[in-house]
Amino acid sequence: QLQLQESGPGLVKPSETLSLTCTVSGGSIGSSDYSWGWIRQPPGKGLEWIGSIYYSGSTYYNPSLKSRVTISVDTSKNQFSLKLSSVTAADTAVYYCGRGFSIDPWGQGTLVTVSS
Amino acid sequence: EVVLTQSPATLSLSLGERATLSCRASQSISSYLAWYQQKPGQAPRLLVYDASSRATGIPARFSGSGSGTDFTLTISSVEPEDSAVYYCQQRNNWSITFGQGTRLEIK
Repeated sequence: QLQLQESGPGLVKPSETLSLTCTVSGGSIGSSDYSWGWIRQPPGKGLEWIGSIYYSGSTYYNPSLKSRVTISVDTSKNQFSLKLSSVTAADTAVYYCGRGFSIDPWGQGTLVTVSS
Repeated sequence: EVVLTQSPATLSLSLGERATLSCRASQSISSYLAWYQQKPGQAPRLLVYDASSRATGIPARFSGSGSGTDFTLTISSVEPEDSAVYYCQQRNNWSITFGQGTRLEIK
Protein backbone atom coordinates (compact mmCIF):
# COMPACT_ATOMS: atom_id res chain seq x y z
CA GLN A 1 0.00 0.00 0.00
CA LEU A 2 1.01 3.61 -0.43
CA GLN A 3 3.39 4.88 2.24
CA LEU A 4 4.96 8.29 2.83
CA GLN A 5 8.07 9.03 4.87
CA GLU A 6 9.43 12.41 5.90
CA SER A 7 13.16 13.01 6.25
CA GLY A 8 15.42 15.93 7.08
CA PRO A 9 17.23 17.70 9.90
CA GLY A 10 15.57 17.67 13.29
CA LEU A 11 17.23 20.90 14.39
CA VAL A 12 17.38 24.17 12.45
CA LYS A 13 18.86 27.48 13.60
CA PRO A 14 16.75 30.65 13.67
CA SER A 15 16.77 32.64 10.41
CA GLU A 16 17.91 29.59 8.44
CA THR A 17 15.92 27.47 5.96
CA LEU A 18 14.09 24.32 6.99
CA SER A 19 14.30 21.60 4.33
CA LEU A 20 12.32 18.35 4.37
CA THR A 21 11.72 15.59 1.85
CA CYS A 22 8.81 13.19 1.59
CA THR A 23 9.53 9.85 -0.11
CA VAL A 24 6.56 8.00 -1.57
CA SER A 25 6.60 4.21 -1.83
CA GLY A 26 4.02 1.73 -3.08
CA GLY A 27 2.85 4.06 -5.82
CA SER A 28 4.03 6.72 -8.24
CA ILE A 29 3.70 10.46 -7.70
CA GLY A 30 3.54 10.97 -11.44
CA SER A 31 0.89 8.40 -12.27
CA SER A 32 -2.04 9.85 -10.37
CA ASP A 33 -4.03 13.04 -10.27
CA TYR A 34 -3.58 13.53 -6.55
CA SER A 35 -1.96 16.50 -4.90
CA TRP A 36 0.87 16.01 -2.42
CA GLY A 37 1.12 18.26 0.59
CA TRP A 38 2.74 19.35 3.82
CA ILE A 39 0.99 19.93 7.15
CA ARG A 40 2.50 20.86 10.50
CA GLN A 41 1.50 20.64 14.14
CA PRO A 42 3.25 22.64 16.88
CA PRO A 43 3.67 20.71 20.12
CA GLY A 44 0.33 20.42 21.90
CA LYS A 45 -1.52 22.40 19.23
CA GLY A 46 -3.68 21.84 16.17
CA LEU A 47 -2.97 21.15 12.51
CA GLU A 48 -1.88 23.76 9.98
CA TRP A 49 -1.75 23.20 6.23
CA ILE A 50 1.45 24.51 4.66
CA GLY A 51 0.88 23.82 0.97
CA SER A 52 0.36 21.26 -1.78
CA ILE A 53 1.75 20.41 -5.20
CA TYR A 54 0.68 18.36 -8.21
CA TYR A 55 3.16 16.25 -10.17
CA SER A 56 2.82 18.78 -12.98
CA GLY A 57 4.38 21.32 -10.62
CA SER A 58 1.30 23.41 -9.83
CA THR A 59 1.55 24.66 -6.26
CA TYR A 60 -0.91 25.97 -3.67
CA TYR A 61 0.27 27.59 -0.45
CA ASN A 62 -1.19 28.73 2.85
CA PRO A 63 -1.45 32.52 2.44
CA SER A 64 0.04 33.07 5.90
CA LEU A 65 3.22 31.18 4.94
CA LYS A 66 3.36 31.80 1.21
CA SER A 67 6.21 34.30 1.31
CA ARG A 68 8.51 31.76 3.01
CA VAL A 69 7.45 28.44 1.46
CA THR A 70 8.59 26.53 -1.59
CA ILE A 71 7.28 23.04 -2.40
CA SER A 72 8.79 21.09 -5.28
CA VAL A 73 8.43 17.62 -6.77
CA ASP A 74 10.95 15.18 -8.21
CA THR A 75 9.03 12.48 -10.05
CA SER A 76 12.24 10.60 -10.93
CA LYS A 77 12.90 10.02 -7.24
CA ASN A 78 9.20 9.76 -6.29
CA GLN A 79 9.73 12.55 -3.78
CA PHE A 80 8.44 15.99 -2.99
CA SER A 81 10.12 18.57 -0.82
CA LEU A 82 9.45 21.51 1.47
CA LYS A 83 11.60 24.57 2.04
CA LEU A 84 10.62 27.10 4.70
CA SER A 85 12.88 30.11 4.95
CA SER A 86 13.68 32.53 7.77
CA VAL A 87 12.48 30.18 10.47
CA THR A 88 11.80 31.20 14.06
CA ALA A 89 10.88 29.29 17.21
CA ALA A 90 7.24 29.52 16.08
CA ASP A 91 8.09 27.12 13.26
CA THR A 92 8.94 24.34 15.73
CA ALA A 93 6.49 21.56 14.94
CA VAL A 94 5.93 18.02 13.79
CA TYR A 95 5.88 18.20 10.01
CA TYR A 96 3.75 15.71 8.10
CA CYS A 97 3.48 14.95 4.42
CA GLY A 98 0.33 13.51 2.89
CA ARG A 99 -1.56 12.75 -0.29
CA GLY A 100 -4.59 14.60 -1.55
CA PHE A 101 -6.77 17.45 -0.36
CA SER A 102 -8.65 14.92 1.79
CA ILE A 103 -5.36 13.74 3.18
CA ASP A 104 -4.75 10.01 3.08
CA PRO A 105 -2.36 8.53 3.81
CA TRP A 106 -0.12 10.62 6.07
CA GLY A 107 3.53 10.14 6.81
CA GLN A 108 4.47 9.38 10.40
CA GLY A 109 5.72 12.93 10.91
CA THR A 110 9.07 14.39 11.85
CA LEU A 111 9.78 16.84 14.66
CA VAL A 112 11.70 19.92 13.63
CA THR A 113 12.98 22.17 16.38
CA VAL A 114 14.14 25.71 15.67
CA SER A 115 16.79 26.68 18.18
CA SER A 116 20.29 28.06 18.29
CA GLU B 1 -9.86 32.07 4.38
CA VAL B 2 -12.54 29.65 5.54
CA VAL B 3 -12.61 29.35 9.34
CA LEU B 4 -13.83 26.10 10.85
CA THR B 5 -15.24 26.13 14.38
CA GLN B 6 -15.58 22.80 16.18
CA SER B 7 -17.76 22.11 19.18
CA PRO B 8 -17.61 21.03 21.87
CA ALA B 9 -13.95 21.44 22.76
CA THR B 10 -14.11 18.34 24.94
CA LEU B 11 -16.66 15.55 25.00
CA SER B 12 -16.74 13.00 27.80
CA LEU B 13 -18.89 9.92 27.24
CA SER B 14 -19.39 6.45 28.65
CA LEU B 15 -18.83 3.28 26.67
CA GLY B 16 -21.65 2.65 24.22
CA GLU B 17 -22.97 6.22 24.18
CA ARG B 18 -23.48 8.19 20.98
CA ALA B 19 -20.97 10.92 20.15
CA THR B 20 -21.98 13.97 18.12
CA LEU B 21 -19.19 16.31 17.02
CA SER B 22 -19.96 19.55 15.22
CA CYS B 23 -18.00 21.59 12.68
CA ARG B 24 -19.24 24.95 11.35
CA ALA B 25 -17.69 26.76 8.41
CA SER B 26 -17.53 30.55 8.10
CA GLN B 27 -18.83 30.29 4.52
CA SER B 28 -20.35 27.61 2.36
CA ILE B 29 -17.91 24.84 1.40
CA SER B 30 -20.41 22.58 -0.35
CA SER B 31 -19.47 19.05 0.77
CA TYR B 32 -15.71 19.58 0.76
CA LEU B 33 -15.22 18.50 4.37
CA ALA B 34 -13.15 15.74 5.91
CA TRP B 35 -12.85 14.37 9.44
CA TYR B 36 -9.68 12.98 11.03
CA GLN B 37 -8.89 11.09 14.21
CA GLN B 38 -5.58 11.69 15.96
CA LYS B 39 -4.27 9.67 18.88
CA PRO B 40 -1.26 10.78 20.98
CA GLY B 41 2.05 10.40 19.16
CA GLN B 42 0.37 9.37 15.91
CA ALA B 43 -0.38 11.01 12.61
CA PRO B 44 -4.00 11.89 11.92
CA ARG B 45 -6.12 9.24 10.22
CA LEU B 46 -8.77 10.06 7.62
CA LEU B 47 -12.22 8.94 8.76
CA VAL B 48 -14.65 10.69 6.41
CA TYR B 49 -14.22 12.67 3.20
CA ASP B 50 -16.62 14.73 1.11
CA ALA B 51 -18.73 15.18 4.25
CA SER B 52 -20.27 11.71 4.32
CA SER B 53 -18.04 9.13 2.58
CA ARG B 54 -16.28 6.78 4.95
CA ALA B 55 -12.60 6.21 4.21
CA THR B 56 -11.26 2.72 3.54
CA GLY B 57 -11.16 0.51 6.61
CA ILE B 58 -13.10 2.87 8.87
CA PRO B 59 -15.68 1.13 11.08
CA ALA B 60 -19.33 1.67 10.26
CA ARG B 61 -19.98 3.29 13.64
CA PHE B 62 -18.36 6.45 12.23
CA SER B 63 -20.59 8.55 9.98
CA GLY B 64 -20.51 12.06 8.61
CA SER B 65 -23.29 14.36 7.50
CA GLY B 66 -23.96 17.93 6.46
CA SER B 67 -23.34 20.36 3.65
CA GLY B 68 -22.88 24.07 3.17
CA THR B 69 -21.73 25.39 6.56
CA ASP B 70 -22.85 22.82 9.15
CA PHE B 71 -21.34 19.36 9.48
CA THR B 72 -21.50 16.53 11.99
CA LEU B 73 -19.38 13.50 12.78
CA THR B 74 -21.33 10.84 14.64
CA ILE B 75 -19.95 7.82 16.44
CA SER B 76 -22.96 5.61 17.01
CA SER B 77 -21.60 3.73 20.03
CA VAL B 78 -18.24 4.81 21.41
CA GLU B 79 -15.58 2.25 22.20
CA PRO B 80 -12.41 2.68 24.30
CA GLU B 81 -10.20 3.01 21.21
CA ASP B 82 -12.20 6.04 20.06
CA SER B 83 -10.52 8.20 22.69
CA ALA B 84 -8.70 10.78 20.56
CA VAL B 85 -8.78 14.29 19.16
CA TYR B 86 -11.00 14.75 16.10
CA TYR B 87 -10.36 17.44 13.49
CA CYS B 88 -12.51 18.65 10.65
CA GLN B 89 -10.83 20.03 7.54
CA GLN B 90 -12.12 21.85 4.47
CA ARG B 91 -10.76 22.13 0.97
CA ASN B 92 -12.03 25.08 -0.98
CA ASN B 93 -10.51 27.14 -3.77
CA TRP B 94 -7.24 25.22 -3.63
CA SER B 95 -6.79 25.96 0.06
CA ILE B 96 -7.08 23.87 3.21
CA THR B 97 -7.94 24.83 6.77
CA PHE B 98 -8.51 22.73 9.88
CA GLY B 99 -10.79 23.16 12.85
CA GLN B 100 -9.23 23.47 16.29
CA GLY B 101 -10.23 19.94 17.29
CA THR B 102 -12.60 18.16 19.68
CA ARG B 103 -11.14 15.92 22.35
CA LEU B 104 -13.23 12.79 22.98
CA GLU B 105 -12.75 11.16 26.35
CA ILE B 106 -14.22 7.77 27.18
CA LYS B 107 -15.21 7.33 30.81
